[in-house]
Amino acid sequence: ETGVTQSPTHLIKTRGQQVTLRCSSQSGHNTVSWYQQALGQGPQFIFQYYREEENGRGNFPPRFSGLQFPNYSSELNVNALELDDSALYLCASSSRNEQFFGPGTRLTVL
Amino acid sequence: GQQVMQIPQYQHVQEGEDFTTYCNSSTTLSNIQWYKQRPGGHPVFLIQLVKSGEVKKQKRLTFQFGEAKKNSSLHITATQTTDVGTYFCAGPANSGYALNFGKGTSLLVTP
Repeated sequence: ETGVTQSPTHLIKTRGQQVTLRCSSQSGHNTVSWYQQALGQGPQFIFQYYREEENGRGNFPPRFSGLQFPNYSSELNVNALELDDSALYLCASSSRNEQFFGPGTRLTVL
Repeated sequence: GQQVMQIPQYQHVQEGEDFTTYCNSSTTLSNIQWYKQRPGGHPVFLIQLVKSGEVKKQKRLTFQFGEAKKNSSLHITATQTTDVGTYFCAGPANSGYALNFGKGTSLLVTP
């Protein structure tokens, strides 16, 4: 176990809805990254937060947004859900270069 | 932007056979990391390579980083059913500790 937790485990939404996913990072890790992993693909970097500020972003539209809180936990928000947003969403907290992944949230958009 | 490519996409071996997956980057990497993801699980860190030409071993797993720091390989000797999963290589993205992952090589081992 990495100590990184995510909630919920599974989620079903319909197109156009909004979703919030949550992540608690490993103790002492102040950097959290979010990834989207479509079926059969590698994780794709969405964005990263360091000390409550966005610290880099991948090739995802603005309807993907996030927050990091003073305790370094984090949220990923996705607005106007599309069918292609169906994926496993992973958060990872970082110690130096090693990423510790949480178990993920499986999002299904119908 | 940087792209990380892996081959093969799938590999099916008999238990006891060897397995190798290859990773190539479009740009020079400061380091490369390898992760393993079991079916239904999440990526788990295996190793990081930093130096040109570096070779590291973990029991039956051997990791290499190319001299030009643009390619890497993972070799498993005498595979076991516990080796089943998808192996990803990943290079640093432009942001902090974020990573660019390859698409992975899925390994199936049959007894």
